[in-house]
Amino acid sequence: DAGVTQSPTHLIKTRGQQVTLRCSPISGHKSVSWYQQVLGQGPQFIFQYYEKEERGRGNFPDRFSARQFPNYSSELNVNALLLGDSALYLCASSLTPGVNSGNTIYFGEGSWLTVV
Amino acid sequence: QKEVEQNSGPLSVPEGAIASLNCTYSDRGSQSFFWYRQYSGKSPELIMFIYSNGDKEDGRFTAQLNKASQYVSLLIRDSQPSDSATYLCAVKNAGGTSYGKLTFGQGTILTVHP
Repeated sequence: DAGVTQSPTHLIKTRGQQVTLRCSPISGHKSVSWYQQVLGQGPQFIFQYYEKEERGRGNFPDRFSARQFPNYSSELNVNALLLGDSALYLCASSLTPGVNSGNTIYFGEGSWLTVV
Repeated sequence: QKEVEQNSGPLSVPEGAIASLNCTYSDRGSQSFFWYRQYSGKSPELIMFIYSNGDKEDGRFTAQLNKASQYVSLLIRDSQPSDSATYLCAVKNAGGTSYGKLTFGQGTILTVHP
């Protein structure tokens, strides 16, 4: 079975531009979350979507937005890019957002964003 | 106080030794705990998860959870050079605006030398 797939894998953008990152969860998984990881730190939670609704949001500015589609894939959009947005953006997939014992969370390979 | 704290290391152990990685968390409502391994330039890879107090073993890996002390650890037996990576501890909460959110520590760099 395919794991979590993300695209693009690497991209370079200029300050002020907009970027869209895409994620397809593991088949059967209905929950998708987005994380930002800057060099030397652990991933930071941005958004969680479940059944096409936003279920959680981290401490990120309104320049960050996301959505989930009927097939449970998701997009993360970042507007007005800043140099500080340069990071690895990770998509995570799980059956549901819950904490029951069988509900593990798997990450995709990530999208490396460089803002120049 | 950080929500999830790990010693950033680097932790250096000889090949064949036991590597012990530690993590503390501040939210007593945390219900599930994860260890991820991350190689340089790669995404986090799930190693183990634990929900109940006590030990959970999977091959060379043992996760230990003590909710009263708000402490979770990962032991790696017979450490190999291929285990050299950053190990991320992550904690998941059940409710409120944090529903389903993973909170990560900054990671511990482990180096296993031959």
